[in-house]
Amino acid sequence: EPEVTQTPSHQVTQMGQEVILRCVPISNHLYFYWYRQILGQKVEFLVSFYNNEISEKSEIFDDQFSVERPDGSNFTLKIRSTKLEDSAMYFCASRGGQLGNQPQHFGDGTRLSIL
Amino acid sequence: DQQVKQNSPSLSVQEGRISILNCDYTNSMFDYFLWYKKYPAEGPTFLISISSIKDKNEDGRFTVFLNKSAKHLSLHIVPSQPGDSAVYFCAATFNYGQNFVFGPGTRLSVLP
Repeated sequence: EPEVTQTPSHQVTQMGQEVILRCVPISNHLYFYWYRQILGQKVEFLVSFYNNEISEKSEIFDDQFSVERPDGSNFTLKIRSTKLEDSAMYFCASRGGQLGNQPQHFGDGTRLSIL
Repeated sequence: DQQVKQNSPSLSVQEGRISILNCDYTNSMFDYFLWYKKYPAEGPTFLISISSIKDKNEDGRFTVFLNKSAKHLSLHIVPSQPGDSAVYFCAATFNYGQNFVFGPGTRLSVLP
């Protein structure tokens, strides 16, 4: 069964450094998402991406965050200047382009630890 | 603003019995609801969904019930198996929305 893959599984970064989290969505999917889960808290929506542009973003997704689909297969989340409170699990998700309601399919996440 | 609530942080059930996980929502615009299961160190895995035009959807051992007037949905697992032990998240969206709103999750433990 096709799956969403995320790399790395664990990223440790010094505060203030830039970090890029990578995702390979399911190949025929057209909608892409990033969510995060801070330890002990619920999964929170960050951003959705379709047709090479952001279609929706949350209040969390401020100017420090950006997303890109650089080569038609990868979907990346960049945090420009990391803060301690950015430490969380970051999940990528994708869904197909068919009309109507469909589930999003998630990767196994990247654990981001900011020191 | 907790638009999606799961008021039971944990639930323990004996193997073979029914597990019932509950979810309440406040936004009457929601028209598509999903349940995800999550094991430690893995991402959420889609289980089952229901749109607001239905009140029940069944897939094998999993059934989701939707009560729109009460803004309540539930997931029934029958019979429960030890491998069902995980955290279960309820999620909701509307208008083919991009943004899934997740509940805080319920940790299900199925005891052998």
